[in-house]
Amino acid sequence: DIQMTQSPSTLSASVGDRVTITCRASQSISSWLAWYQQKPGKAPKLLIYKASSLESGVPSRFSGSGSGTEFTLTISSLQPDDFATYYCQQYNSYPIFTFGPGTKVDIK
Amino acid sequence: QVQLVESGGGVVQPGGSLRLSCAASGFTFSSYGMHWVRQAPGKGLEWVAFIRYDGSNKYYADSVKGRFTISRDNSKNTLYLQMNSLRAEDTAVYYCAKETLAFGGVIVDYWGQGTLVTVSS
Repeated sequence: DIQMTQSPSTLSASVGDRVTITCRASQSISSWLAWYQQKPGKAPKLLIYKASSLESGVPSRFSGSGSGTEFTLTISSLQPDDFATYYCQQYNSYPIFTFGPGTKVDIK
Repeated sequence: QVQLVESGGGVVQPGGSLRLSCAASGFTFSSYGMHWVRQAPGKGLEWVAFIRYDGSNKYYADSVKGRFTISRDNSKNTLYLQMNSLRAEDTAVYYCAKETLAFGGVIVDYWGQGTLVTVSS
């Protein structure tokens, strides 16, 4: 089974900061990685798929990179609406998906 | 627009059963594979089950295999999750999720709002 890890687990940042979240897979998943944003009490929202493709309607301050086993999600300039929890998810082993444990971005 | 509306959650005793439903609209339900994903209170996301667009293939997480059954009725645009032998650790918000093909891979692009299942005596 493919295991996913994320770091950090919590990140404190200010509006305007550049934020980077790292996701690692226990084995190569090529570029089959997605990133989701989740706010309290809400369903996850797709941000990025295939490691670096921006979902339609998602602001361009979000970007993704990486391949193989190491991936990053970057928010170039953190906005008030971006305080949330972010999950990576591998779909290399489709239809079995594995999510990372999440990274909570909160206000510094 | 795509809508997924879950129902059927509630409080159930350990060992009990519950059936969740997910009513889909805004897309051709019979053309897409569907998933159930759950989230225990204060925890992360856990994939639970998948069913192919025509119901011919089903996959389950090891944690629910043999206890949960995913099914669908394409004539009613509805996805189901039959949950038997429920345990305290099954307590979670259960989301139904629609998949789509994107650049050669399959991702989840829409989620329902979730339904809470609480297993407690």
